[in-house]
Amino acid sequence: DGGITQSPKYLFRKEGQNVTLSCEQNLNHDAMYWYRQDPGQGLRLIYYSQIVNDFQKGDIAEGYSVSREKKESFPLTVTSAQKNPTAFYLCASSILLAEHNEQFFGPGTRLTVL
Amino acid sequence: GENVEQHPSTLSVQEGDSAVIKCTYSDSASNYFPWYKQELGKRPQLIIDIRSNVGEKKDQRIAVTLNKTAKHFSLHITETQPEDSAVYFCAASIPPQKGYQKVTFGIGTKLQVIP
Repeated sequence: DGGITQSPKYLFRKEGQNVTLSCEQNLNHDAMYWYRQDPGQGLRLIYYSQIVNDFQKGDIAEGYSVSREKKESFPLTVTSAQKNPTAFYLCASSILLAEHNEQFFGPGTRLTVL
Repeated sequence: GENVEQHPSTLSVQEGDSAVIKCTYSDSASNYFPWYKQELGKRPQLIIDIRSNVGEKKDQRIAVTLNKTAKHFSLHITETQPEDSAVYFCAASIPPQKGYQKVTFGIGTKLQVIP
């Protein structure tokens, strides 16, 4: 299960606070992704990045921000503008070969807004 | 953008029976179709995948079929066992030369294998 890590495992936030979720990988993967998982809604893409200092919004980017200053790291900030942030957040990484895009997932962070 | 629909959302089968999960996709540029298994409280993990130049792929009790014309693909699990109980996600991926490479997931199917 090594290679991609997320921290913390559980995170509690008060309303109005920003929080940052960590994601680190040592797989030398170019691409990294953030997903939100809610019951009955599968995995929804928040942001993704293919190279350092570049990233793109996914399907549900509102209320979130990311940075990609290093290839190994892709932190996600959940801002106070995100109205319903309680969810399970998964980070993933992959290589960029055209014919193969297996995503390797981290263990996830469960965020709860108090 | 790509849209992946998956059904059923829940599936219960008796141990030893087969299970079939079906997905459709919308973007004909998609060329890679992975299936992930997520056990309770754990991260999703790839169990099988298929590329657009292949119609069927099998790995022991698991098989995947792809119909490019109809834009649908299916996961087949034979001789189901209790440890197959999990949530299964299908996905479709567009190659990077068509733009940023993204993987779009289905909503997931919760499979319960009843001993």
